[in-house]
Amino acid sequence: TQLLEQSPQFLSIQEGENLTVYCNSSSVFSSLQWYRQEPGEGPVLLVTVVTGGEVKKLKRLTFQFGDARKDSSLHITAAQTGDTGLYLCAGGKGAGNNRKLIWGLGTSLAVNP
Amino acid sequence: EAGVVQSPRYKIIEKKQPVAFWCNPISGHNTLYWYRQNLGQGPELLIRYENEEAVDDSQLPKDRFSAERLKGVDSTLKIQPAELGDSAVYLCASQTLGAGAQYFGPGTRLLVL
Repeated sequence: TQLLEQSPQFLSIQEGENLTVYCNSSSVFSSLQWYRQEPGEGPVLLVTVVTGGEVKKLKRLTFQFGDARKDSSLHITAAQTGDTGLYLCAGGKGAGNNRKLIWGLGTSLAVNP
Repeated sequence: EAGVVQSPRYKIIEKKQPVAFWCNPISGHNTLYWYRQNLGQGPELLIRYENEEAVDDSQLPKDRFSAERLKGVDSTLKIQPAELGDSAVYLCASQTLGAGAQYFGPGTRLLVL
């Protein structure tokens, strides 16, 4: 079974703290996407990483794809209340009509003022 | 540019009743997805269309769920009859042919009583 495990499942922190969310699998992925979903809305893509070891930064968010393309992390520096939401990772496999996106179960983040 | 449009946003029905959800993807997006999402979890793929062809419906419970995308643009997902366990958010997403980001609608929140 191709599974993406996310940890932690829940995280509640104070504004200004740093945090890291992990996305792990035993499978190799051709790409890894991170989405954020706010209550009452659909997920929104934050970043796509495709190369082993790749690091991408989006303001206070840093995304890393593992060297073996089996895992990824999302680090948030100085969290703000606007960062609250469900963070989902999704790994890409296959191509064409056989391509699939394997979704993690999500990390629910609450940033308290 | 308009995003993915879904209707209705909310639906409350009694078990054994039928229900239908509608999705209009972003103009020009050939790929359309229907997902089911339970509270605090990641999306579960129900069906993927490439234009009007359903290329992945392996996770669709075909005894009670059906979907169509007759002209390769908008799509309808139907449940008949609905069961209590069908209560969830039904998300539609679209994508340009090939790969890349999936763009999600706001979802339809279904409650089966």
